[in-house]
Amino acid sequence: GAVVSQHPSWVICKSGTSVKIECRSLDFQATTMFWYRQFPKQSLMLMATSNEGSKATYEQGVEKDKFLINHASLTLSTLTVTSAHPEDSSFYICSVSGGPAYEQYFGPGTRLTVT
Amino acid sequence: SQQGEEDPQALSIQEGENATMNCSYKTSINNLQWYRQNSGRGLVHLILIRSNEREKHSGRLRVTLDTSKKSSSLLITASRAADTASYFCATDRRSGGSNYKLTFGKGTLLTVNP
Repeated sequence: GAVVSQHPSWVICKSGTSVKIECRSLDFQATTMFWYRQFPKQSLMLMATSNEGSKATYEQGVEKDKFLINHASLTLSTLTVTSAHPEDSSFYICSVSGGPAYEQYFGPGTRLTVT
Repeated sequence: SQQGEEDPQALSIQEGENATMNCSYKTSINNLQWYRQNSGRGLVHLILIRSNEREKHSGRLRVTLDTSKKSSSLLITASRAADTASYFCATDRRSGGSNYKLTFGKGTLLTVNP
């Protein structure tokens, strides 16, 4: 499977600021990348799907102006949480796909805490 | 909406015992996958079973799929303390074009006591 990294692994930011999370596919050309959010002791919820060079497709209820996704290359996608609020505190996980689209390889996640 | 529902939500067993986790889903699927997540970490893919398959093995893992009941089970045999983790099932369905969406269940927290 693909090796996927996320940076940072954890971040603390103040309310109202923006924070950017990177997802890199280290050995795999990822035509599609996915961003998930996971609250404590809960499951992963898909936030958005992005295809390289295209605008991301957001799931219902996810604010596209708040969660900015850029998939500029086959190896990098970024998620920017703008004007962060404490309720945005969560574990954000990316995954990549390049073969059969149901095969996704997951990053290690980024823990975001908004104070 | 949440597609997969696992039960039990939590399972505690002794090392060496078998662990069985179940997953139910609501709509038709292409494939069903099981993932493992250690606390605070990303997901590790365990096994994929296609909708036309009924059983699959991988090492100490055995997965069954009953499409008539819309359910799957994951059996871990001869469990080890290192198997302690959360286990999620995920179903996939086409979401448009060539994209698929994975919908995860709520997960089962497995604790294997040494």
